[in-house]
Amino acid sequence: GQNIDQPTEMTATEGAIVQINCTYQTSGFNGLFWYQQHAGEAPTFLSYNVLDGLEEKGRFSSFLSRSKGYSYLLLKELQMKDSASYLCAVHTNAGKSTFGDGTTLTVKP
Amino acid sequence: DTAVSQTPKYLVTQMGNDKSIKCEQNLGHDTMYWYKQDSKKFLKIMFSYNNKELIINETVPNRFSPKSPDKAHLNLHINSLELGDSAVYFCASSQDRAGEQFFGPGTRLTVL
Repeated sequence: GQNIDQPTEMTATEGAIVQINCTYQTSGFNGLFWYQQHAGEAPTFLSYNVLDGLEEKGRFSSFLSRSKGYSYLLLKELQMKDSASYLCAVHTNAGKSTFGDGTTLTVKP
Repeated sequence: DTAVSQTPKYLVTQMGNDKSIKCEQNLGHDTMYWYKQDSKKFLKIMFSYNNKELIINETVPNRFSPKSPDKAHLNLHINSLELGDSAVYFCASSQDRAGEQFFGPGTRLTVL
């Protein structure tokens, strides 16, 4: 089976930086996805990490350590529209993505 | 142009009824999925098809039966609906079994 842990809720201030952590235990690890989901909407893809290290994409960056079973999503220069749920999803060799329960981020003025 | 579309967007029905949800993708992807997101917002995979073949079938009651008539379509039929089936059902597709997934807008199913 797979265990995926991420904090349930986080709060941050507009303009600040926030780091959302995700730890996992799985067999056949193939990669890790991060998705964003606004309330009442569908998840949308943010990033994908296969190898160890940092992937940067504009204000968002994602980090992976395969040996530690650990990833984080870093959001810089927070904007109000970044208030959403952030889901990490572990992808395995079997072609299956298992989603964490999501972290609800609230950005305050 | 809608990449992944689902119909209907809302579905309200009585317990015991049979209903279907349709999904279509125009991205030319090989792999399609059905997810269930309950009231606590947990997103759980139900089924996955690759080139019309079932590759993932999670522990889902037999009342749920997916059908993929072609690579661009994956429909979900639910028999004998129960109260616990109330949720948002998302269809998704990816280029292959390892790619990022594109989600449809979701179908909010309410069973009364």
